[in-house]
Amino acid sequence: GAVVSQHPSRVICKSGTSVKIECRSLDFQATTMFWYRQFPKQSLMLMATSNEGSKATYEQGVEKDKFLINHASLTLSTLTVTSAHPEDSSFYICSASVGREETQYFGPGTRLLVL
Amino acid sequence: DQQVKQNSPSLSVQEGRISILNCDYTNSMFDYFLWYKKYPAEGPTFLISISSIKDKNEDGRFTVFLNKSAKHLSLHIVPSQPGDSAVYFCAATDGGTSYGKLTFGQGTILTVHP
Repeated sequence: GAVVSQHPSRVICKSGTSVKIECRSLDFQATTMFWYRQFPKQSLMLMATSNEGSKATYEQGVEKDKFLINHASLTLSTLTVTSAHPEDSSFYICSASVGREETQYFGPGTRLLVL
Repeated sequence: DQQVKQNSPSLSVQEGRISILNCDYTNSMFDYFLWYKKYPAEGPTFLISISSIKDKNEDGRFTVFLNKSAKHLSLHIVPSQPGDSAVYFCAATDGGTSYGKLTFGQGTILTVHP
């Protein structure tokens, strides 16, 4: 099956620092990658959609200057949380899809804790 | 505005019995539906999907039923196994105007007792 990896799996940082999370599709080329965040006991909320080589499309209410997304290749997308604050602490999950296929394959997630 | 709803936060089932997880949606533009299984601190794992042109899709122990008129879908797991214990999310997408964007329900915690 399609495998998506994320790195790091957990990160703890100080308030005000920036954190980069990588999402890779290991055995397929991902036309589109998605970034979600999940608060405890809540559903997954889509943050943004990125296509290789183009700017990400952000969901309403998501600050694009705070959550920088780069989709440099068909197998790698990065999410950078800039000037992180404690309220950014969450579980960030990426997913990838192939072509027009509507099934998304998810990475294992990254737990971010901002102190 | 919760467009996809899973009204049962939890479900407890005996091993070997059937697990039925339900999901309702409000957006009539949704035309593709998926079920994901998720363990704590892990990403969701795709289980099964169904297109709006079908009313049933089966894959091993998992069957998804879609009732478009009622805007309702359900996931049946038969027989249930302890390893099925996890959080189950249903998700929906509108392949037309919002291609690829999944809208998730809140999830249902399934516990299968030995």
